[in-house]
Amino acid sequence: AQSVSQHNHHVILSEAASLELGCNYSYGGTVNLFWYVQYPGQHLQLLLKYFSGDPLVKGIKGFEAEFIKSKFSFNLRKPSVQWSDTAEYFCAVKDTGRRALTFGSGTRLQVQP
Amino acid sequence: EADIYQTPRYLVIGTGKKITLECSQTMGHDKMYWYQQDPGMELHLIHYSYGVNSTEKGDLSSESTVSRIRTEHFPLTLESARPSHTSQYLCASSGGAYNEQFFGPGTRLTVL
Repeated sequence: AQSVSQHNHHVILSEAASLELGCNYSYGGTVNLFWYVQYPGQHLQLLLKYFSGDPLVKGIKGFEAEFIKSKFSFNLRKPSVQWSDTAEYFCAVKDTGRRALTFGSGTRLQVQP
Repeated sequence: EADIYQTPRYLVIGTGKKITLECSQTMGHDKMYWYQQDPGMELHLIHYSYGVNSTEKGDLSSESTVSRIRTEHFPLTLESARPSHTSQYLCASSGGAYNEQFFGPGTRLTVL
């Protein structure tokens, strides 16, 4: 069965620091990859997605992620975080034949002003 | 505006009560989903629907049931709530070429 690992459960950064959140998945075939963000008290929102093509994808609010097939990874990055980036971030994977997404356990990001 | 709606947002009830969590979408999507999420944990799929009159159980076993009589409506029912059902329930829908999922705000259920 597909599994998704997010190794950082809680990350605390100061404003302007760089961010990288790890995501690894287990399925070896064709996958669609997603990062979702949940701001306090808000819906889960799509941050960015990868389906095919350029493995470096850019999302909203200055986030980007790189798909490295050989490492089964899809790490999320942002060069300079802001206090408003404080949220929970979920990596998700959909492989062929599955009906829905498989989610990681999430990373809680706390940005201190 | 296209969106996904869930009601109630918060629900505290006693053991043994029957409850229905509502989910509606104006996205025009065929596929709809229910996920369960415990605090600090990943989301687990508990129900899935391809379209009207089509529902399937998800990866996580759940005592809840769902129905899909209308495209835009996908309610979840618990016939007899128990404390073990305390969790957050998220509804989602997807459509289009890439089937990316859009989520509702969730219902936080507490069973005493």
